Amino acid sequence: QSALTQPPSASGSPGQSVTISCTGTSSDVGGFNYVSWYQQHPGKAPKLMIYEVSKRPSGVPDRFSGSKSGNTASLTVSGLQADDEADYYCSSYAGNNNLVFGGGTKLTVL
Amino acid sequence: QVQLQESGPGLVKPSETLSLTCTVSGYSISSGYYWGWIRQPPGKGLEWIGSIFHSGSTYYNSSLNSRVTLSVDTSKNQFSLNLTSMTAADTAVYYCARDRTGAHFDYWGQGTLVTVSS
Repeated sequence: QSALTQPPSASGSPGQSVTISCTGTSSDVGGFNYVSWYQQHPGKAPKLMIYEVSKRPSGVPDRFSGSKSGNTASLTVSGLQADDEADYYCSSYAGNNNLVFGGGTKLTVL
Repeated sequence: QVQLQESGPGLVKPSETLSLTCTVSGYSISSGYYWGWIRQPPGKGLEWIGSIFHSGSTYYNSSLNSRVTLSVDTSKNQFSLNLTSMTAADTAVYYCARDRTGAHFDYWGQGTLVTVSS
């Protein structure tokens, strides 16, 4: 399976909102409501931020939200804070017990 | 609190087999869920390697299918990864993680760097 497509970079100023896209196909993102988003700070393990398109695990601020339209999923970070600066990865179930990740987006807080 | 810890060699020679173990604490593997391995080459993105259900059913990334074997030892609360025919392209940080639904990972180990070099 091919990796999901994410923009290499995104940026925003503190307090602003930024949206990161994750584009797949009807065989993965578009075919299942199993899109997840992970935040990864340098040298750290990824942290689950969103699962099943729009659900937030306990402890994740509601500034983080997820959505999906067709073959493209999106992660929106509202009220940007300095600590939001990190790499963000999407993933999707791809059928037949396969899972695929996106290439990652580096979010910079200006 | 669920915790996972990877263990294994940090250096593997080309053509050899990598064996990593993930020890889980705070949750009994036999109680359920999938348990997975993900890797990340230096400076690159994440790649799912495979997942194993608590009962032992396995699911592998098709690009690595012929080289990967996952196993689970519920008596030790551990699961393991074997990756054969290692090359420099397999140099990466290897993470183990709990896979809640076969589609997302909610708890991760800290990761272990494996370098393939002679």
